[in-house]
Amino acid sequence: AQSVAQPEDQVNVAEGNPLTVKCTYSVSGNPYLFWYVQYPNRGLQFLLKYITGDNLVKGSYGFEAEFNKSQTSFHLKKPSALVSDSALYFCAVVRGSYNKLIFGAGTRLAVHP
Amino acid sequence: DGGITQSPKYLFRKEGQNVTLSCEQNLNHDAMYWYRQDPGQGLRLIYYSQIVNDFQKGDIAEGYSVSREKKESFPLTVTSAQKNPTAFYLCASSTSGGNTGELFFGEGSRLTVL
Repeated sequence: AQSVAQPEDQVNVAEGNPLTVKCTYSVSGNPYLFWYVQYPNRGLQFLLKYITGDNLVKGSYGFEAEFNKSQTSFHLKKPSALVSDSALYFCAVVRGSYNKLIFGAGTRLAVHP
Repeated sequence: DGGITQSPKYLFRKEGQNVTLSCEQNLNHDAMYWYRQDPGQGLRLIYYSQIVNDFQKGDIAEGYSVSREKKESFPLTVTSAQKNPTAFYLCASSTSGGNTGELFFGEGSRLTVL
C-alpha cells in the first residue's frame, strides 16, 4: 500500500537558518510525491512535486525538495527560513489514479525570530 | 478570481442532525474531492468525483453522502450515522487526466457537533 511518513511532529528553526522537514515514502512502482503547506484555519496550498527527472525539485516561496530513491525520502528544504514560513507542512503521494492523494500526518514548522 | 468556495466556515450542530457543507468552484475543473482533517492524522479522503453525475467512495465514506449534479458544485452531507463528525472538512478540485497531484483547496469548513 502507498504511504508517506513524517517522523517529526514539530520542527523549530531560527530565522535565517536552513530548514529541513522530513518525509519518507513507501510505494510500489515509481512514486509521485508532493509537498503542501497549510496556514492556520486555511486550506492547503501546493508547494512542489516530484514526478520524474531531476532529483532536486524547486517550488514556491524558495522551497525545494530532494528525492532520494535509495533512502525512500523526499525531504523539504529551504536555505534560509523566514518567520512567515511557520505553518503546517504535509507530504503526500498519489495512490492509483485520479489524483487521489495520501497525506502524511503533517509537521508543524515554527520559525523563531 | 478563480477558486474554490466552501461554506459555511464554521458550523455547530446537535447530535443526530444531518448537515450539508457547500463546495463551489469556478476553475472549470472536472475532478472534485472531500477530505477530512483531524489533528495529528493528516487528511483522509471521504469522496471524490471525476465527472458530473459520478462519484466514488474514498477511505472513510461511511456516514457521509455527496452529489455531483453540476460541474461547479460538490456538496457533502454529514449524516447522523457518522459517529464522530466533529472535524475540519476540506474540499479540493483538480484537472482530470493523469496524476499531477496539484489539488486546489478551499478554505475549509469546521464542523462542531455538540
